[in-house]
Amino acid sequence: DTGVSQDPRHKITKRGQNVTFRCDPISEHNRLYWYRQTLGQGPEFLTYFQNEAQLEKSRLLSDRFSAERPKGSFSTLEIQRTEQGDSAMYLCASSSHDIQGKASPLHFGNGTRLTVT
Amino acid sequence: AQKITQTQPGMFVQEKEAVTLDCTYDTSDPSYGLFWYKQPSSGEMIFLIYQGSYDQQNATEGRYSLNFQKARKSANLVISASQLGDSAMYFCAMREGMDSSYKLIFGSGTRLLVRP
Repeated sequence: DTGVSQDPRHKITKRGQNVTFRCDPISEHNRLYWYRQTLGQGPEFLTYFQNEAQLEKSRLLSDRFSAERPKGSFSTLEIQRTEQGDSAMYLCASSSHDIQGKASPLHFGNGTRLTVT
Repeated sequence: AQKITQTQPGMFVQEKEAVTLDCTYDTSDPSYGLFWYKQPSSGEMIFLIYQGSYDQQNATEGRYSLNFQKARKSANLVISASQLGDSAMYFCAMREGMDSSYKLIFGSGTRLLVRP
């Protein structure tokens, strides 16, 4: 179990630029989640995947945000035309979910801290 | 609507003493799960303990225990024998339903500082 890894750890970009983050979940986990955490707050749910299918998206996920998990393994989160309000920590998490509906707790990565100048 | 409230922005505790971090929740779903996570300065969210709404006993995991009072809708985390490494942000979170998307709703967190 190597844990959830996220890349990059930090990203500084200028307003209007596009950015892409990557998440590699724990290998046997079939569910992958993206959360956003702003300073002084708890994480907020953005979206999640079961295998390669994106099953739920939060209203926080504007049309400038897109997430993919093409082969049911790693995932990418892209933000187009970044705005200063996008500055936050973007956390990825994964969990396993069996056919009986039993789920493991979410295991989080270290996050990608985005700063939009 | 579901909601998690952590009323203590910051807490101090002396090393080796016990500390209780408060969490209250609001939900209309009879089936839910409650979680506590620790977030050190490195940023990673570390799972500590879980309590299901139908669990008869309070959850315990090593030095962590969850004081679950269902009627009061509270799920306080108790850390016994505090260690310097326990200094971190602590988040209470809730999941509605037993087979939902596993979407968690987090509180605003409590920053714990352990004094030597």
